[in-house]
Amino acid sequence: GEDVEQSLFLSVREGDSSVINCTYTDSSSTYLYWYKQEPGAGLQLLTYIFSNMDMKQDQRLTVLLNKKDKHLSLRIADTQTGDSAIYFCAERNTGTASKLTFGTGTRLQVTL
Amino acid sequence: EAGVVQSPRYKIIEKKQPVAFWCNPISGHNTLYWYRQNLGQGPELLIRYENEEAVDDSQLPKDRFSAERLKGVDSTLKIQPAELGDSAVYLCASSLRRDWNNEQFFGPGTRLTVL
Repeated sequence: GEDVEQSLFLSVREGDSSVINCTYTDSSSTYLYWYKQEPGAGLQLLTYIFSNMDMKQDQRLTVLLNKKDKHLSLRIADTQTGDSAIYFCAERNTGTASKLTFGTGTRLQVTL
Repeated sequence: EAGVVQSPRYKIIEKKQPVAFWCNPISGHNTLYWYRQNLGQGPELLIRYENEEAVDDSQLPKDRFSAERLKGVDSTLKIQPAELGDSAVYLCASSLRRDWNNEQFFGPGTRLTVL
């Protein structure tokens, strides 16, 4: 079955870049997503990338996809304290239609 | 535009008691999802509705969990009886259509504590 893994914790200083990594096992993944969850809130979609792309940039966010290694990363430039949250990667494959498989989440802590 | 609404936000019950969660999706969204998020984990899909039809309930523990979406809008998720291991956050999400690129919008969740 599908498996998505992430490191648990990342601490960065305000103004630095953050890189959150994710690995997945399902080679038929069609879309890969990054969600942000703030305390007491639901998940907010940040960005997504289609499996035939290797990079997508959206303002301070850059997503890199290495399909060969099944590795996905999210880079946040000029990290701010408001970026402190849990970040989930998720994948969807052609066999499970709308089902998203989420990773365990990476808690990003931004320090002053 | 109002987001996905869930109630209650928090619920504390004793084991063996019943509990119900309510979700109102974004207007016009015909696909509705219930997820369970255990502490320190990502959400896991319990059930997905297309309008009033449950099209994927393979992960729903049917011995104690039930869900309904009678008119294809609001939905309720029920647990009867609750067990200690059911403590989690129950998230509802909705999307405009079941498409490869559909975006799921999540509600804030209901945090259930079973004592």
